[in-house]
This record gives sequence, C-alpha cells and structure tokens, in this order.
Amino acid sequence: AQSVTQLGSHVSVSEGALVLLRCNYSSSVPPYLFWYVQYPNQGLQLLLKYTSAATLVKGINGFEAEFKKSETSFHLTKPSAHMSDAAEYFCAVSDLGNYGGSQGNLIFGKGTKLSVKP
Amino acid sequence: KAGVTQTPRYLIKTRGQQVTLSCSPISGHRSVSWYQQTPGQGLQFLFEYFSETQRNKGNFPGRFSGRQFSNSRSEMNVSTLELGDSALYLCASRKTGGSSTDTQYFGPGTRLTVL
Repeated sequence: AQSVTQLGSHVSVSEGALVLLRCNYSSSVPPYLFWYVQYPNQGLQLLLKYTSAATLVKGINGFEAEFKKSETSFHLTKPSAHMSDAAEYFCAVSDLGNYGGSQGNLIFGKGTKLSVKP
Repeated sequence: KAGVTQTPRYLIKTRGQQVTLSCSPISGHRSVSWYQQTPGQGLQFLFEYFSETQRNKGNFPGRFSGRQFSNSRSEMNVSTLELGDSALYLCASRKTGGSSTDTQYFGPGTRLTVL
C-alpha cells in the first residue's frame, strides 16, 4: 500500500530564505505525487503534480519539486520565502489500490505548517 | 469558472443526530470525492462518486454515506453522530473519475462540530 511521510510538522524560515519541505513516499510502482497548500479556513489548492513526465516539476507561486526515485522523495522547494507563503502544505500520492492502477483518491501526509518570519 | 462550493460552511450538531452536507462541483466535472480532515488523523478519503455511482470507498463505518445527482452535485450524510465525527469535511471534484489522474479541485470545506 502507498504511504506518504512528511518530515517536520512545523518549519519556520525567514522571509527571503529558502523553503524546503520534505516528503517521502512508499510505493511499489511509479507513483503519481502531488503537493497541496491549505490556507487557514480554506480548502486545498494544488501547487504541482508529478505524473511520470519530467522529474523536476514547476508549480504555482514559485514552488517546484523534484522526483527522486532512488531516494523515494518528492521534496518541495522555493528559493525565496514570502510572508504570504505561511500555510500548511500537504504531500499526497495517488492510491494505486490492489491492482496497481490508480484509484484516483489521494493518500495524504500529515502536513507541514510553514511559518515565515519577517 | 466558479470553483467547488460546499454548504453549509459551519454546522453544529449534537451526538446521535444526523447531518447532510452538500457539494457542487466545478461545471463539467463529473467526479466528486469526499475527505475528512481532523487534527489527529489528518486527511482521509471517504468515498468517490462518478456518474451517480459510488466508485471507490475509504475505510469508514456505514454511518457515512453519500450520493450523487444527475447534475453531479453530491451530498454526504452522517447518521448517529459521534463526538469523533467533528472535522472539516472537504469535497473535491475532477473531470473524470476512477483511474484518471485529473487534478482534484477542493472546496472550502464544511466545519462540523458535534457536541
């Protein structure tokens, strides 16, 4: 069964500093991977997704993530943090069910809350 | 294009009652999925509906049920509410269902509090 582990439930960075949010996945077959962001009292917004095309995926708001099969990782980065980036970030993998085909539903990590200090 | 809408946004119920939540997907989207978000368990998949049929189901008790109408709008129902059902319930829509990797677009959620 697939699973997602996000290292660090809270990450704090200074404005202008590099943002690095870690995500490791467990999957017996090539996965489909996603990063979502959730602002307070709002739903989830897709930042980017990996579906076996380019391993470096660029998303919205300057975020990008690199799929590394050897490390089973899909870390999210942004070169320079803005105050508006403060939110909770979720890594997710598409559930492959029992037969290796995508079921479509998402399996989420526990989330990482990002704080940005002025 | 309007996003996914959920009503109501906030709901307070007491134990033993039942509740119905509503979700209107993005126009043209035929799949609706429901997720429960709690501080302890995080985000968990409840079920997915596509063309009025339940396509996939998560590991939740039978008290949780849903349906989808011909216009793709969906409702989920929770009967005999328990304190542990307090959560943010998120609805997500996408163009197609099943094995497709179409992006899921989430609504703002319904915050259910059970007293």
